[in-house]
Order: sequence, then C-alpha cells, then structure tokens
Amino acid sequence: AQSVAQPEDQVNVAEGNPLTVKCTYSVSGNPYLFWYVQYPNRGLQFLLKYITGDNLVKGSYGFEAEFNKSQTSFHLKKPSALVSDSALYFCAVSDLYGQNFVFGPGTRLSVLP
Amino acid sequence: DTGVSQNPRHKITKRGQNVTFRCDPISEHNRLYWYRQTLGQGPEFLTYFQNEAQLEKSRLLSDRFSAERPKGSFSTLEIQRTEQGDSAMYLCASSPDRAEEGYTFGSGTRLTVV
Repeated sequence: AQSVAQPEDQVNVAEGNPLTVKCTYSVSGNPYLFWYVQYPNRGLQFLLKYITGDNLVKGSYGFEAEFNKSQTSFHLKKPSALVSDSALYFCAVSDLYGQNFVFGPGTRLSVLP
Repeated sequence: DTGVSQNPRHKITKRGQNVTFRCDPISEHNRLYWYRQTLGQGPEFLTYFQNEAQLEKSRLLSDRFSAERPKGSFSTLEIQRTEQGDSAMYLCASSPDRAEEGYTFGSGTRLTVV
C-alpha cells in the first residue's frame, strides 16, 4: 500500500528566502507523485507532478520539486517565497493505475513579510 | 465546463438529519472520487467511481454513507442520521483514466453537524 510522510507540520520562512517543503513516500513499483496546495476553505489546487523523466519538475506559481529515488523523496521548493504562498501543502502518491491516490498529512507554510 | 463543481458549499444540519451533497465532475472525466478532510488533516479516501460503477469503498464509509453516480456524470453523497463526527469538508475530484493526469478537485462542501 502507498504511504506519504510530510515530516514537518509547519514551515516558516521569510519573504524572499528559498523554501522547501519535505515529502517522502512508499510505493511498490514506480511512483506517480503530486503536490497540491490548499487555501482556507477551498479545495485542493494542483501544483505539479512527477511521472517519469527529469528528476526536477517545474509547476505552477514558480514551484518546483525534486524527485530522488534513492531517498524516496519528492521535496517541494521555490527559490524566493511570497507572502501569498502561505497555505497548506499536500504531497500525494498514486500507483500506476491511479486508483490508490494517497495524501500526506499536509504541511502548513507561513511566509513572513 | 470549467472544473469540478460541488453543491452546496456549506451545510449546517442537526444531528440525526440526513444530508445530500452533489458533485459535477469535468465532463470528459470517467473517474470520480469522494474524499473527507477534517481540520488540519490530509484528505482521506471515501469512494471511487469508474463511470457509473462504484469500484472501491473505504472502511471509513459506514453504512450511513451512500454514494451514487447513476448516469456516469454527476454524483451524490448522502449521509443518513448525521453525527457530530461527520463534521468535515467533503471533497470531490475527477480524473481521466490515465493516472498521470492527476486529480482535479472541487471546492468542497463543508458540513457542520450541531
């Protein structure tokens, strides 16, 4: 069965500084990995995904994520954080067939002005 | 069709009452999912449809919960005899058959049971 861990409940970063939100996963076979963002009282918005190919994937709003197979990680990054990036971020993993889509517990990102 | 639509956005109900939520997926998506999210937690899978067939149900889905997708288009999630523990955000998502496309989520229905 798939599982996802987000080891940090909360990440605080100053505006303009780089940010990293960590994610590790466990899945049998090749993983399909996703990041979603959730603003208050809203549904989840897709940020980016890794299916195959380059380990560094670029997504919406200047976010990128690095897939590391040996460390089973898929950390979300952004070179320069904005206050408007403050939200709840979820990492998710799916199997090949997309029928088992499992979310991590979420990491709350606070970008301080 | 601009995305996944969920109605109502908010629902307040008294304990013991029945409630029904509706989800309209992206029209060309064959798959439809229901998730439940409590405050500060990640979404938890409830059930999944491939067209009109309900293919999987989580053990979280007690016998008070029922979901339908009668024509393979919109779906409804009904909760009978609501309990305070049912208070949560109920999220609907849809996807095409290809797993690598990911899911598109609706804005959710927030249920409060008083």
